[in-house]
Amino acid sequence: DAEITQSPRHKITETGRQVTLACHQTWNHNNMFWYRQDLGHGLRLIHYSYGVQDTNKGEVSDGYSVSRSNTEDLPLTLESAASSQTSVYFCASSSNQAGRTDTQYFGPGTRLTVL
Amino acid sequence: DQQVKQNSPSLSVQEGRISILNCDYTNSMFDYFLWYKKYPAEGPTFLISISSIKDKNEDGRFTVFLNKSAKHLSLHIVPSQPGDSAVYFCAASSKYNAGNMLTFGGGTRLMVKP
Repeated sequence: DAEITQSPRHKITETGRQVTLACHQTWNHNNMFWYRQDLGHGLRLIHYSYGVQDTNKGEVSDGYSVSRSNTEDLPLTLESAASSQTSVYFCASSSNQAGRTDTQYFGPGTRLTVL
Repeated sequence: DQQVKQNSPSLSVQEGRISILNCDYTNSMFDYFLWYKKYPAEGPTFLISISSIKDKNEDGRFTVFLNKSAKHLSLHIVPSQPGDSAVYFCAASSKYNAGNMLTFGGGTRLMVKP
């Protein structure tokens, strides 16, 4: 069965460290997204990609970067982790059919704590 | 400024009764709306959606109502079951936003008591 996985599921790091969160999907979807979930804010979009070599900034992109070298993976990098980046991170993917909004499928999430 | 708002952070209902979760939006360009359900330690899962050309969509115990003039949608769960206890997110999209971008509300925690 197709799925979307994230690793690690939990991560504790220190302020100033570089951290990379992995996202891998086997849906063969063109679109991939990274969100963070914080109490009272719901899910906020960090970065997204419409295909290989394409990346775009979302609502809360400062301090984060992504790269898309293949269809399956969209790793999220925190260049220099800050305590404000303590959050739960979700990766999602969707197909790209023109003229409709397709359902996004979410991974299980990564809980990141920055000390 | 939040374009999608869920003003009730939590809701408690008795098993067997109706649960009504509300969502308001401000962007008149939104033309597609979705509800996602999230259990603890899991990712959100798609529940039900509605296009702006409709005012109601039903799927089993779940019905979503859309009032475009009021920029308001609601999710009705009848009858509510303890397994429905979760956080529910409302999301919206516009055909003018390429690539299926969704804007999410803050979520409502539903607790269904046996």
